[in-house]
Amino acid sequence: KNQVEQSPQSLIILEGKNCTLQCNYTVSPFSNLRWYKQDTGRGPVSLTIMTFSENTKSNGRYTATLDADTKQSSLHITASQLSDSASYICVVSQGAAGNKLTFGGGTRVLVKP
Amino acid sequence: EPEVTQTPSHQVTQMGQEVILRCVPISNHLYFYWYRQILGQKVEFLVSFYNNEISEKSEIFDDQFSVERPDGSNFTLKIRSTKLEDSAMYFCASSDLDEKLFFGSGTQLSVL
Repeated sequence: KNQVEQSPQSLIILEGKNCTLQCNYTVSPFSNLRWYKQDTGRGPVSLTIMTFSENTKSNGRYTATLDADTKQSSLHITASQLSDSASYICVVSQGAAGNKLTFGGGTRVLVKP
Repeated sequence: EPEVTQTPSHQVTQMGQEVILRCVPISNHLYFYWYRQILGQKVEFLVSFYNNEISEKSEIFDDQFSVERPDGSNFTLKIRSTKLEDSAMYFCASSDLDEKLFFGSGTQLSVL
């Protein structure tokens, strides 16, 4: 069964600190892996998209890594800000955009001053 | 930045009633989607729409659901006879050929 598992479920960090979120998947076939940020009551916003051949991709203070052999990905947040408080969702795509997405349950991040 | 717009933001309805959720995708996008997220659960794919027809649908998207693109801008999701378990946040999304999805802010549907 295609699954995307994320850890931790939630974490609290102090403003300015770094953190790393984990994603493991069993989705097959694999097309790409995406990280989204979802603020409470809002739709997910794309942070990164990585294909099989990409090991790392950055978007500002967000850096995603992908190990397609072990089927693991991570999202690293550098120098966290209060506005980083949100859920971060790992999504794996099996094919053409949107209709073959398997969503993880998300990691809820709370940044405290 | 262009955005996907959804209305209403909240919809309360009685069980058995019909609801229509509305979406205005980004104007030059070609692919349109509906997803839902039951409170505390993962986002789930409902249906994708391309070239004026459904291209893919999930098991959730049964005969009670339908989608339409009645004009050049709107994309609607209709639930014919709502059930309690249809209560969820419904997200519309659209994309261009580059596969980056843009989501709307969602419609919170509450079925009483």
